[in-house]
Amino acid sequence: EIVLTQSPATLSLSPGERATLSCRASQSVSSFLAWYQQKPGQAPRLLIYDASNRATGIPARFSGSGSGTDFTLTISSLEPEDFAVYYCQQRHIWPFTFGPGTKVDIK
Amino acid sequence: EVQLLESGGGLVQPGGSLRLSCAASGFTFSSFAMSWVRQAPGKGLEWVSTIRGGGATYYADSLKGRFTISRDNSKNTLYLQMNSLGAEDTAVYYCAKDRVDWELLPFDSWGQGTLVTVSS
Repeated sequence: EIVLTQSPATLSLSPGERATLSCRASQSVSSFLAWYQQKPGQAPRLLIYDASNRATGIPARFSGSGSGTDFTLTISSLEPEDFAVYYCQQRHIWPFTFGPGTKVDIK
Repeated sequence: EVQLLESGGGLVQPGGSLRLSCAASGFTFSSFAMSWVRQAPGKGLEWVSTIRGGGATYYADSLKGRFTISRDNSKNTLYLQMNSLGAEDTAVYYCAKDRVDWELLPFDSWGQGTLVTVSS
């Protein structure tokens, strides 16, 4: 099973700041990594698929990069609605594991 | 507009069974793989199971054969039969749709979730 590790566990930032979230895989997942955002009481929302492709309707301030084992989600300038938990997920090898999440909260 | 509506959650005793349903609309259901993802209270997301449009299935190792995913393409409905439930199965269960019909995952549409509580 591929284990995904996300860091940091919590990121405390102010609106307007840049957020950089990391996801590391225990073995290569090629580019088959997605990022989701989840707000309290809501279902997750797909942000990025296949490492760097924004999903439909996702603002350009969200970007993804990486391949193999190291991936990054960047939010260029945090908006108030971006404070949430972010999960990565790999689809390269079954079982399709999620990372433990990074919480982005308001500093 | 894609809509996914889960039902069937509730309180069940340890060792009991439950069947969840997910009614889908707004897309060609039979063409897309569908999945169940769960989230224990205060915890992260856990992929549970996926079923392709043609019926091939995939499960998380941790389920140890207790759960069965199925679908009825004529009713646009996804199911999850859960047996031998334990406290560790307490979670919100989401159904989710694949982004495209020619690949497995990621999930671009999610239901609102249904809560399963296993307790005596």
